[in-house]
Amino acid sequence: DTGVSQDPRHKITKRGQNVTFRCDPISEHNRLYWYRQTLGQGPEFLTYFQNEAQLEKSRLLSNRFSAERPKGSFSTLEIQRTEQGDSAMYLCASSLLIGNEQFFGPGTRLTVL
Amino acid sequence: QKEVEQNSGPLSVPEGAIASLNCTYSDRVSQSFFWYRQYSGKSPELIMSIYSNGDKEDGRFTAQLNKASQYVSLLIRDSQPSDSATYLCAAPSYNQGGKLIFGQGTELSVKP
Repeated sequence: DTGVSQDPRHKITKRGQNVTFRCDPISEHNRLYWYRQTLGQGPEFLTYFQNEAQLEKSRLLSNRFSAERPKGSFSTLEIQRTEQGDSAMYLCASSLLIGNEQFFGPGTRLTVL
Repeated sequence: QKEVEQNSGPLSVPEGAIASLNCTYSDRVSQSFFWYRQYSGKSPELIMSIYSNGDKEDGRFTAQLNKASQYVSLLIRDSQPSDSATYLCAAPSYNQGGKLIFGQGTELSVKP
């Protein structure tokens, strides 16, 4: 399978715990994006990387959220001190440097109890 | 006005009919447009992209872009029950890298 992969697919955690999600993009893609989607809404942008550089962060991304892409390949998204409002589907997408077609992974569904 | 707007639906069409999904956009997005299909509980799947005025056809799908009216649409011919899903319209934010701005999606139901 050469598509975008994400792990875990589902995560249930208690309020106040830290969680970390991983995304492996399509291998030749330079850009990697994180989005968050809640029920009935379209995905909302969180942050993106071009190679290992984090080029933009949304105002939605509070200081409890951090993302890395240390070697320009896979990326991690960490949420510290989770809140119930963090419950959502976290989507990763990747694209080539040129062009904007983004391909999504299967997502990680987070439930904060 | 939101950057990208869609009617949330639901849109219900009989099997075999043409489904027409619409999207309007503001000046705050770049004029490249993408249609994604999202089945319940799944992630978005890219089905069409359109960059220039006019129509673009791919199988049963036709994307239409009218820049003067700031309007983009997706037509699905010979709709099938398997087309029942939420359809998301998206465009890159103007001057802000490659991030996509999504509409809230239109739910399509194709009745047998």
